[in-house]
Amino acid sequence: QSVLTQPPSVSGAPGQRVTISCTGSRSNIGAGYDVHWYQQLPGTAPKLLIYANTYRPSGVPDRFSASKSGTSASLVITGLQAEDEADYYCQSSDSSLSGSVFGGGTKLTVL
Amino acid sequence: EVQLVESGGSVVQPGGSLRLSCAASGFTFRSHWMTWVRQAPGKGLEWVANIKPDGTQKNYVGSVKGRFTISRDNAKNSLYLQMNSLRAGDTAVYYCARDNPGGFDLWGQGTLVTVSS
Repeated sequence: QSVLTQPPSVSGAPGQRVTISCTGSRSNIGAGYDVHWYQQLPGTAPKLLIYANTYRPSGVPDRFSASKSGTSASLVITGLQAEDEADYYCQSSDSSLSGSVFGGGTKLTVL
Repeated sequence: EVQLVESGGSVVQPGGSLRLSCAASGFTFRSHWMTWVRQAPGKGLEWVANIKPDGTQKNYVGSVKGRFTISRDNAKNSLYLQMNSLRAGDTAVYYCARDNPGGFDLWGQGTLVTVSS
């Protein structure tokens, strides 16, 4: 069981919008720690997709956006493209564990 | 080029030891926290350990405490993970990553550790 909870899978047709949730607790997201999101394409290392809850690193399309509220965070992908098919992970810090924690990951399928 | 390159992964028997290395280049290594993250076959990401820029503070996930040791040599721009008393459950691809307040913003390609008899 991961400390942060994500849906195992989501899917959408090209051009559609999908949302991936990340639910934590008062010792991590709810404690005010930032949430970061990673994209892992098949067979590759993870890549930072969103940092500090809402910010996109240079080069990440604005089709990717994210938010945080209370003990949860969400990643939204609009205008789905085939190349978006990947695993997505949320990550935060946890005061009770004195380290970082990841969500279990969500596999996005573009239909 | 800004990059991280891991090495040292191999097949090891249960109870054995292994030392992973991560060579950093293209950035000021000594200024950054560094992290190890692992991914078991077909599973999700798991944070393993991190280390302060000067090496004076180290944090570990509970399942590796007392068995794994993270260290660094800033003169060699290198990060290490000494893994002892290895178990089948430690089988994974191990990634090193640059650990910034804004997330793990630079990753290596990973090195595979297989614990099997």
